[in-house]
Amino acid sequence: DAEITQSPRHKITETGRQVTLACHQTWNHNNMFWYRQDLGHGLRLIHYSYGVQDTNKGEVSDGYSVSRSNTEDLPLTLESAASSQTSVYFCASSESGGRALNEQFFGPGTRLTVL
Amino acid sequence: KQEVTQIPAALSVPEGENLVLNCSFTDSAIYNLQWFRQDPGKGLTSLLLIQSSQREQTSGRLNASLDKSSGRSTLYIAASQPGDSATYLCALGSSTLGRLYFGRGTQLTVWP
Repeated sequence: DAEITQSPRHKITETGRQVTLACHQTWNHNNMFWYRQDLGHGLRLIHYSYGVQDTNKGEVSDGYSVSRSNTEDLPLTLESAASSQTSVYFCASSESGGRALNEQFFGPGTRLTVL
Repeated sequence: KQEVTQIPAALSVPEGENLVLNCSFTDSAIYNLQWFRQDPGKGLTSLLLIQSSQREQTSGRLNASLDKSSGRSTLYIAASQPGDSATYLCALGSSTLGRLYFGRGTQLTVWP
């Protein structure tokens, strides 16, 4: 069955370190998204991609970057981790058709703690 | 900017009750609306997707409606069960930017 996976599931790191969270989907979806979920804020969009070599900033993109070198993967990098980036991170994917937004499927999440 | 509000924030009901979860939004220019379920410590599971041209969708005991003119969607759960206990999130797909805007969710507890 097609799925979307994230790794690691839990990560503890120190302030200032670079961290990369992996997202891999086997749906063959063109659209991929990264969100963070925090108490009091709900889910907020960090970055998204509509296809290979395409990346776009979401509403909370500062301190994060993504790259899309193939259809299946969209890794999220925290350039210099900060305590404010302690959160649960979700990756999602969806089909596309003229960049139409269809049903999004979510990964299990990565819980990141920055000390 | 699209704002999505879900009321109530929490709901506790006895098993067997029919219940309604509400979602309101400020911008009626939406592409679609999606309802999700999230169990504690888990990811989001898609329940229903309503396209902007549709008024409702049904899946089993779940029925979701969409009224763009009033900026509202409701999720109706019939004959609730303890296994329905979870947080329910609504999310709007923007017709302009292709992103989802999420509400903060309704935390549902169904007790036996």
